Amino acid sequence: EVQLVESGGGLVQPGRSLRLSCAASGFNLEDYAMQWVRQAPGKGLEWVSGIAWNSGVKVYADSVKGRFTISRDNAKSFLYLDMTNVKVEDTGLYFCAKDPEFQLREGSWFVSWGQGTLVIVSS
Amino acid sequence: QSVLTQPPSVSGAPGQRVTISCTGSSSNIGAGYDVHWYQQLPGAAPKTLIFRNGNRPSGVPDRFSGSKSGTSASLVITGLQVEDEADYYCQSYDTSLRRVFGGGTKLTVL
Repeated sequence: EVQLVESGGGLVQPGRSLRLSCAASGFNLEDYAMQWVRQAPGKGLEWVSGIAWNSGVKVYADSVKGRFTISRDNAKSFLYLDMTNVKVEDTGLYFCAKDPEFQLREGSWFVSWGQGTLVIVSS
Repeated sequence: QSVLTQPPSVSGAPGQRVTISCTGSSSNIGAGYDVHWYQQLPGAAPKTLIFRNGNRPSGVPDRFSGSKSGTSASLVITGLQVEDEADYYCQSYDTSLRRVFGGGTKLTVL
């Protein structure tokens, strides 16, 4: 059974940094591209970032480009999101999600989701 | 304002049929990109309901169906059940913005 478990969320001050982690199990992480999606409190879903199976391609939403960095450790079965210079509008529940294949395909979708980790940016 | 437009809410009585629309543009759905649908039950993570316009993952009842035409897509739920009460999101790809979601539709089962 595919399991994605996010961690690392918490309360952080604006301008500071935070690292989110996603532990993957029940499948071989190396075989799939992975994504981060977030949801502000009471709001809809927003795609944040994606990474191909071998880290060769990384893509970001304009709202986080230059501030967030996605990475992965296939050997340890972990996906990461390094958040720097965080803003109040980064507050939300961050989900990691699994793609259906190893490459980042334009028309692709989110096959499996974790339960999310909550990030609150506030002074 | 979301790139994909969904009605904020829809409702129906048990057993009825409801349709949730997802309207895009020539830079996303109209450009030929697939549309996918997710169900988010209260307090839960999203779950894939429909992928590639009209395909259901195993375990999703055939009461749920999807279609796409032109710059729009639709999710149809027949034989509405109380447990279908949730938020529903469409998702596609935009040539400028990459993966995009609709604003979400809250389904109330009366």
